[in-house]
Amino acid sequence: NAGVTQTPKFQVLKTGQSMTLQCAQDMNHEYMSWYRQDPGMGLRLIHYSVGAGITDQGEVPNGYNVSRSTTEDFPLRLLSAAPSQTSVYFCASSYTEYSGNTIYFGEGSWLTVV
Amino acid sequence: AQKITQTQPGMFVQEKEAVTLDCTYDTSDQSYGLFWYKQPSSGEMIFLIYQGSYDEQNATEGRYSLNFQKARKSANLVISASQLGDSAMYFCAMRPNTGNQFYFGTGTSLTVIP
Repeated sequence: NAGVTQTPKFQVLKTGQSMTLQCAQDMNHEYMSWYRQDPGMGLRLIHYSVGAGITDQGEVPNGYNVSRSTTEDFPLRLLSAAPSQTSVYFCASSYTEYSGNTIYFGEGSWLTVV
Repeated sequence: AQKITQTQPGMFVQEKEAVTLDCTYDTSDQSYGLFWYKQPSSGEMIFLIYQGSYDEQNATEGRYSLNFQKARKSANLVISASQLGDSAMYFCAMRPNTGNQFYFGTGTSLTVIP
């Protein structure tokens, strides 16, 4: 029962490097999203998708790119890493975007940009 | 504007006692969901409890209950019979029926004292 799987769990990047955080879910969820968690700020939405081929920006999208070619996968790309992108990243999914649907999280990816 | 406020950065409770974690929210949506998540030191986000805005009864899940006061826009989490394993960060979140986004509070750190 995998749920939401994120990789890698830990990553150190140099400023200017690019990388992709992988996210996959096996629950046939239509809605997928990426959040970042910073101390004292809770979780903030980066990008989300309501289905394959559909993506949209959240609260803090700058410096990140996403795509949704399949229902299962929702990778997050850092285009040119900056120290301000040091954070914990969570992928999350729910059955639909309806307000009554619980969102389920991956285990998180700890990213440090030096 | 959608907003979640958790005013207690840290709380302490004696083992086996009950504790209430406060959460207030602001939304103009008539339909929305309220959620609580637990984040232990290992970092994962664990879903605890859900309350729908049209639910007349307060939600309960084992030792967790949600004290929902719609007119006051509050959704406090009550943990009964605290256990050492309850020590964690707790996040209140709201999902309006519009906007495709979860809104999170800044969290409350709960420490259970033996």
